[in-house]
Amino acid sequence: DAGVIQSPRHEVTEMGQEVTLRCKPISGHNSLFWYRQTMMRGLELLIYFNNNVPIDDSGMPEDRFSAKMPNASFSTLKIQPSEPRDSAVYFCASSLGLEGSDTQYFGPGTRLTVL
Amino acid sequence: ELKVEQNPLFLSMQEGKNYTIYCNYSTTSDRLYWYRQDPGKSLESLFVLLSNGAVKQEGRLMASLDTKARLSTLHITAAVHDLSATYFCAFSTYNTDKLIFGTGTRLQVFP
Repeated sequence: DAGVIQSPRHEVTEMGQEVTLRCKPISGHNSLFWYRQTMMRGLELLIYFNNNVPIDDSGMPEDRFSAKMPNASFSTLKIQPSEPRDSAVYFCASSLGLEGSDTQYFGPGTRLTVL
Repeated sequence: ELKVEQNPLFLSMQEGKNYTIYCNYSTTSDRLYWYRQDPGKSLESLFVLLSNGAVKQEGRLMASLDTKARLSTLHITAAVHDLSATYFCAFSTYNTDKLIFGTGTRLQVFP
């Protein structure tokens, strides 16, 4: 199994530009999560989907952030317009989403730098 | 408020020594997770603890769960340099897939 796949692995952009991060979850997993990690704030859950439906987006910082999951094998996190404070590592994770043991498996992350 | 407290936040220990990392969580849960993160890398699942009194061991690491005390521990036995990493605990609430993560414990093992 290839695990969770994220692209790009690194992104450098200028303030005001649109950024799109992509994620392919593990095949057969029903839940998908987007996290952001910074030194100051640690690991934050931004949004999660179950069966392609957004369940909890309370962690999305503001309207500049949006996430979609058009099908079971693909999700995007978009930032428009980007700001320097959005610089962070963004992780995507997926899980089976079953009661009892819903271990989340993390992708390699996208390191975003906004200049 | 859903919250996880880990302590210590930083731990520098000598090879061969034993130590315990503590994880307190704020609400009733019977699912507790431990993850490891190497610098610049992703998070790797270590243990899933699913019931009160659960104990799991892998190599020099042993995790346990006390749901009544809302406490999990990660015990390190005879530490080696390869264990140097940041360790996170997380718990999930009932009827949700969401995990609440702690701040992490950064472990450094020196000769």
